[in-house]
Amino acid sequence: KNEVEQSPQNLTAQEGEFITINCSYSVGISALHWLQQHPGGGIVSLFMLSSGKKKHGRLIATINIQEKHSSLHITASHPRDSAVYICAVISGTASKLTFGTGTRLQVTL
Amino acid sequence: NAGVTQTPKFQVLKTGQSMTLQCAQDMNHNSMYWYRQDPGMGLRLIYYSASEGTTDKGEVPNGYNVSRLNKREFSLRLESAAPSQTSVYFCASRGRAGNTIYFGEGSWLTVV
Repeated sequence: KNEVEQSPQNLTAQEGEFITINCSYSVGISALHWLQQHPGGGIVSLFMLSSGKKKHGRLIATINIQEKHSSLHITASHPRDSAVYICAVISGTASKLTFGTGTRLQVTL
Repeated sequence: NAGVTQTPKFQVLKTGQSMTLQCAQDMNHNSMYWYRQDPGMGLRLIYYSASEGTTDKGEVPNGYNVSRLNKREFSLRLESAAPSQTSVYFCASRGRAGNTIYFGEGSWLTVV
């Protein structure tokens, strides 16, 4: 069983829809990151969370440390949001970085 | 991505050849990582380093070696390349707790 599980694996939405991507992990962590990867390979960090909730524009990320669960929400989705969204956790004293398998999001007009 | 530079961007190797992927960051980060990305597999951690002179194995270390000789650079070496090592390789770095992760642009490696 992977230490980090994401769902769904694939997601298709129409423009304007509210989107939720989930991440569950099984290890103790010091931080959780949400990343975005567009076709072509570039990866950027969207959020770093250790507790609570963060908001950046139309993106909202939450984490529940007790339940070992995080969600990424996209409000009023747009075709430019089409990308792979990846959850990653930092664990251990050596700051091991473990990734989920990613969620491929396609937003259509 | 500003701050993390990896080379080469593209490389074709014959089975059995060796090569080194170079990664350097100029953000004074402690932690550096190498991972590979394969279709349908997501990003898998190969090796990581919490500080200069220390390295740890990730999920898929077999067939690879790493070196962290200084804080700035973290290299990944394939001693005898195999077709199963055909992949896209990414280097990343991270500062102290609470800092953003920064990624290199990726290195596309094909082993024939």
